[in-house]
Amino acid sequence: EVQLVESGGDLVQPGGSLRLSCVASGFTFSSHWISWVRQAPGKGLEWVASIRPDGSEKHYVDSVKGRFTISRDNAENSLYLQMNSLGAEDTAVYYCARLKGWTTIYDYWGRGTLVTVSS
Amino acid sequence: AIRMTQSPSSFSASTGDRVTITCRASQGISSSLAWYQQKPGKAPKLLIYDASTLQSGVPSRFSGSGSGTDFTLTISYLQSEDFATYYCQQYNAYPVTFGGGTKVEIK
Repeated sequence: EVQLVESGGDLVQPGGSLRLSCVASGFTFSSHWISWVRQAPGKGLEWVASIRPDGSEKHYVDSVKGRFTISRDNAENSLYLQMNSLGAEDTAVYYCARLKGWTTIYDYWGRGTLVTVSS
Repeated sequence: AIRMTQSPSSFSASTGDRVTITCRASQGISSSLAWYQQKPGKAPKLLIYDASTLQSGVPSRFSGSGSGTDFTLTISYLQSEDFATYYCQQYNAYPVTFGGGTKVEIK
């Protein structure tokens, strides 16, 4: 069974940093693109970042470029999101999601981890 | 970025109803459209991709159609477990973008 389990969400002050993790199981992690997608409270879904299976290619939404870094450790079946210079607009549930083959369709999602940026 | 607009944003329906949700893209996206279902406190679930291909394990009462800029998701016979929020997503161009969601509530 494919599983993605996020962790690391917390309450953080504006300007602070946080590192999210996602542990995968039930599939060959090193063969898939993986993304972070977020959902602000009561709002819709927003793609944040994606990383190639070997980690050599990364993409970010403009609003997080230069502040967030996506990375992965295929030996540990883990995905990470380092978030710096956090602002209130980053408050959201952050999901990790597996891409279906070499498409940008999300066929499996984790249950998410909540990041709250507030003083 | 390509803007995805869903309508309606919410509506009420009864079990057994046939319901249709519309998604419009701000520019042509061919058939690069997916639909997701999300229940409160849960992760989104992929229902349909390539505008009309049913994801494995999804009941056949769900169907999708459209191409270019206009798409629809139809639930032919609404079941109790179908009350949820539905999102469309385009993957024709980066950044991938989602619609604002359509909440299907019990009448």
